[in-house]
Amino acid sequence: DGGITQSPKYLFRKEGQNVTLSCEQNLNHDAMYWYRQDPGQGLRLIYYSQIVNDFQKGDIAEGYSVSREKKESFPLTVTSAQKNPTAFYLCASSIGWRGTEAFFGQGTRLTVV
Amino acid sequence: QQQVKQSPQSLIVQKGGISIINCAYENTAFDYFPWYQQFPGKGPALLIAIRPDVSEKKEGRFTISFNKSAKQFSLHIMDSQPGDSATYFCAASVSNSGYALNFGKGTSLLVTP
Repeated sequence: DGGITQSPKYLFRKEGQNVTLSCEQNLNHDAMYWYRQDPGQGLRLIYYSQIVNDFQKGDIAEGYSVSREKKESFPLTVTSAQKNPTAFYLCASSIGWRGTEAFFGQGTRLTVV
Repeated sequence: QQQVKQSPQSLIVQKGGISIINCAYENTAFDYFPWYQQFPGKGPALLIAIRPDVSEKKEGRFTISFNKSAKQFSLHIMDSQPGDSATYFCAASVSNSGYALNFGKGTSLLVTP
């Protein structure tokens, strides 16, 4: 089955700890994206990557970090510097050309206690 | 700052009725305008999309109307069904951000039997 896999589905962490969310795709897509979703806020872009070993900050990158060492993988680390990390995190991928569909994973719900 | 403004925030429609969701944008460089549908706890999925050189696109019961001069676009759902109850997001993208999607805040649609 082709698609995007995010893991875990639910994640609980103590305040002040770093946590890494996994995103893997087998669609052979060049571009990958991380979004954060909060109730009533829509989806906001955290980071995106158009090619291996390169990535760019989105609108709300502070407190987050990413890596893109393989085409298939784009993990997101939520650091202790992120002031309000509790949210629903969505990973997406696309071919990366104009007008091409972005496919989303099923999301990871992170709760910081 | 929200680059795509979406209204209404919520919508209740009777079965068989027409659901209409509106979006407006400011960035005239946007060149791709998709609509996504999201069910609770799931990732968004592409519903229908349009490019600015077309004024209308229809796929089954779903139609996008696009007004380039007014910088507005809308989603019409004809013969709305209870299964259409979901959150709908409009979005827009442009090449200089890797075609990352800028989302509206979403519309929660409830179709009553």
